Amino acid sequence: GAVVSQHPSWVICKSGTSVKIECRSLDFQATTMFWYRQFPKQSLMLMATSNEGSKATYEQGVEKDKFLINHASLTLSTLTVTSAHPEDSSFYICSARTSGRNEQFFGPGTRLTVL
Amino acid sequence: QKEVEQNSGPLSVPEGAIASLNCTYSDRGSQSFFWYRQYSGKSPELIMSIYSNGDKEDGRFTAQLNKASQYVSLLIRDSQPSDSATYLCAVTLSGAGSYQLTFGKGTKLSVIP
Repeated sequence: GAVVSQHPSWVICKSGTSVKIECRSLDFQATTMFWYRQFPKQSLMLMATSNEGSKATYEQGVEKDKFLINHASLTLSTLTVTSAHPEDSSFYICSARTSGRNEQFFGPGTRLTVL
Repeated sequence: QKEVEQNSGPLSVPEGAIASLNCTYSDRGSQSFFWYRQYSGKSPELIMSIYSNGDKEDGRFTAQLNKASQYVSLLIRDSQPSDSATYLCAVTLSGAGSYQLTFGKGTKLSVIP
């Protein structure tokens, strides 16, 4: 149980294009989903928290107009990196939790490379 | 600034030995405590959760929590080379948004065959 998937697992795009990453909870209802970013040899950085049906809450320093988050259902959240630039290249990881539980279960991550 | 502190390591132990990983946290009101394992290039995987003082055992893993001293530890018995990874301590803080996890920077464990 508690399986979270992400798609795609890796993506390469040109500077200026937008990239959408999907995060799905496969066997539970994710009342809250989280998006993290991790640069090489650094720790996880929380970007935003989203509750199903509500607007995401972004961490300080994360541009909400650049990183669009949608959590339209209890099993799906999407992160869209708009007008991506090389400095956005990173490992993007989502996690999910269900109501009544504090554990977060992580997806396998999406490695984004912007040329 | 509410923090979670871990020794970055690397911590090297011989195969078959006990690996001891430690974590301290600054928010006395913290409620939930987790250990995640992260292999290089992969996402974190939940190993243990602990919510009350004392020990919690699961297979070769034992989590220990001492809220008075504000530390949580993870013991790995009979360490195997496959245990070589970075271990992340994570804490849910008290107050609004308490579902968010605050992570330590991780301890890199190397198990030597």
